[in-house]
Amino acid sequence: DVKVTQSSRYLVKRTGEKVFLECVQDMDHENMFWYRQDPGLGLRLIYFSYDVKMKEKGDIPEGYSVSREKKERFSLILESASTNQTSMYLCATTPLDYGYTFGSGTRLTVV
Amino acid sequence: TQLLEQSPQFLSIQEGENLTVYCNSSSVFSSLQWYRQEPGEGPVLLVTVVTGGEVKKLKRLTFQFGDARKDSSLHITAAQPGDTGLYLCAGGVSSGGSNYKLTFGKGTLLTVNP
Repeated sequence: DVKVTQSSRYLVKRTGEKVFLECVQDMDHENMFWYRQDPGLGLRLIYFSYDVKMKEKGDIPEGYSVSREKKERFSLILESASTNQTSMYLCATTPLDYGYTFGSGTRLTVV
Repeated sequence: TQLLEQSPQFLSIQEGENLTVYCNSSSVFSSLQWYRQEPGEGPVLLVTVVTGGEVKKLKRLTFQFGDARKDSSLHITAAQPGDTGLYLCAGGVSSGGSNYKLTFGKGTLLTVNP
């Protein structure tokens, strides 16, 4: 089975801090995604990547950036964390196929 | 922007009851997936349907893709407390031969009481 590992399950950061969320997959999947999930809003796509060093904006990229230096690792960066970025962050991966495999999520609280 | 509307948003039933969750859109999708998410975890893929009219069964769960590939339903027979969770539908549109980008519905939160 494909495994997607997110570096932290829970994270508390202060407003203005630079925050790194890491995601690592153990299969050779081309496509990786970062979503945030909020009550009443569902899953919203922040960024995705279809190859190393390639990235595309999703629906809500403002305030975020990403890095994909190696195929197995996709990092989400909050340049200057704000309270409205408090959320559940989910990483997902897929080959050129239909099914996504998600990580367990990182619940980020910005205070 | 493609939208997927799920209904109902919340559902609370007793163990042993049957239920159906709906996922509707005005857009045509080349594939439709259903996921279940438990509290504090990521969604887990249950099934993918790709052909209009397709029906798939997974134990007590029956998934159907509409003939026009704009809607889908999930039916659970004799629900059990272990079925409790957030059910998400997600639609994919083929782009350059890949269905790698999905649009998600907001989910149906199911609670099955013992």
